[in-house]
Amino acid sequence: GQQVMQIPQYQHVQEGEDFTTYCNSSTTLSNIQWYKQRPGGHPVFLIQLVKSGEVKKQKRLTFQFGEAKKNSSLHITATQTTDVGTYFCAGLVTYKYIFGTGTRLKVLA
Amino acid sequence: DVKVTQSSRYLVKRTGEKVFLECVQDMDHENMFWYRQDPGLGLRLIYFSYDVKMKEKGDIPEGYSVSREKKERFSLILESASTNQTSMYLCASSKDYSYEQYFGPGTRLTVT
Repeated sequence: GQQVMQIPQYQHVQEGEDFTTYCNSSTTLSNIQWYKQRPGGHPVFLIQLVKSGEVKKQKRLTFQFGEAKKNSSLHITATQTTDVGTYFCAGLVTYKYIFGTGTRLKVLA
Repeated sequence: DVKVTQSSRYLVKRTGEKVFLECVQDMDHENMFWYRQDPGLGLRLIYFSYDVKMKEKGDIPEGYSVSREKKERFSLILESASTNQTSMYLCASSKDYSYEQYFGPGTRLTVT
């Protein structure tokens, strides 16, 4: 079946280090969304990418959508303790989103 | 602000019981979704609805059913709860199927 894999599953970084999570799909995606889930919370929408090769920035966060629209990445520059949480990608296939397995980020002060 | 509420934060049920999980959204969204979240598996879509009285199976519909009698309310039903349905259940809504989803706080269901 259609799958969206994310790596790594876990990442521990020192505060101030960079962090990247990667999302790979077995099928072409119409668009991709990214969500953040704080510990004990629910997923909150961060951004949506639609075009092949698209790059968007939100302060220290940079999101990319691959040329083939099968992969995406989220990069955080100079992590802070407030970045702690699980980051999910969600790819749109036909008319429903398939969520990735998530990357849990821990930031050590 | 969009608000999605779920009837319970925590629920404990016995094997074989019929379980109802309720979700209400206040933004007149057309689409509503039920997911379950398990460690290492991400969010998996159980059912979704794009209109009142309409429903579509997601990736893991077995053992579940849904009801959408009013636009703002989407219910998930476990006909006969089993221990492998112990999970976090998340409801979400969106204006259109391709738009961002707004999630409720989740219901942590334990089936003993």
